[in-house]
Amino acid sequence: AQKITQTQPGMFVQEKEAVTLDCTYDTSDPSYGLFWYKQPSSGEMIFLIYQGSYDQQNATEGRYSLNFQKARKSANLVISASQLGDSAMYFCAMRGGLYGQNFVFGPGTRLSVLP
Amino acid sequence: GAVVSQHPSRVICKSGTSVKIECRSLDFQATTMFWYRQFPKQSLMLMATSNEGSKATYEQGVEKDKFLINHASLTLSTLTVTSAHPEDSSFYICSARDQTLDPTWEGYTFGSGTRLTVV
Repeated sequence: AQKITQTQPGMFVQEKEAVTLDCTYDTSDPSYGLFWYKQPSSGEMIFLIYQGSYDQQNATEGRYSLNFQKARKSANLVISASQLGDSAMYFCAMRGGLYGQNFVFGPGTRLSVLP
Repeated sequence: GAVVSQHPSRVICKSGTSVKIECRSLDFQATTMFWYRQFPKQSLMLMATSNEGSKATYEQGVEKDKFLINHASLTLSTLTVTSAHPEDSSFYICSARDQTLDPTWEGYTFGSGTRLTVV
């Protein structure tokens, strides 16, 4: 079975500073995909970044980067230069098997960016 | 990019009535769609996998007779909450994949969700 753990129910960060959102995972699949999604108060799920289990380099997408430590089974999201619009719920998710279809989501972290 | 339209965005219904939620892939065909439920301040939990032209696959603990899923075409899946009760109040969100895109990570798009309130 797959499991995602996010130990930070809420985080605060000052505008323009960087913040790290923690995510650890557990799976017996040799290959898997790790994702981060942003959910603003309106509810839609916005894809942020993806890391494949066989990817050698950490994924980056603009201000988002994923700190992937396979041996520790962690996939932390780093947001640089936080903006007020970054305030939202952030979910770490896994898709089992490299081509697995459904997602297993973590409990989420609510990020609040302070002006 | 792939767009999934979900309708309605909000619905309030009386206890005992049924509510239908639609999930449409607008610019791609989706043989498989997924339905998730999210209770307030909780994470998304997969309810069922909807397969075009066949019966849906329900996750353990999800009542198939209560949550009817129909995937009659390659662009439309519907979730009907039958005889809704206040405990069914939740945020329901669908997801679909554009199979023409990279299967490892691309193409999985979520609808904007439906907030159901049963009074």
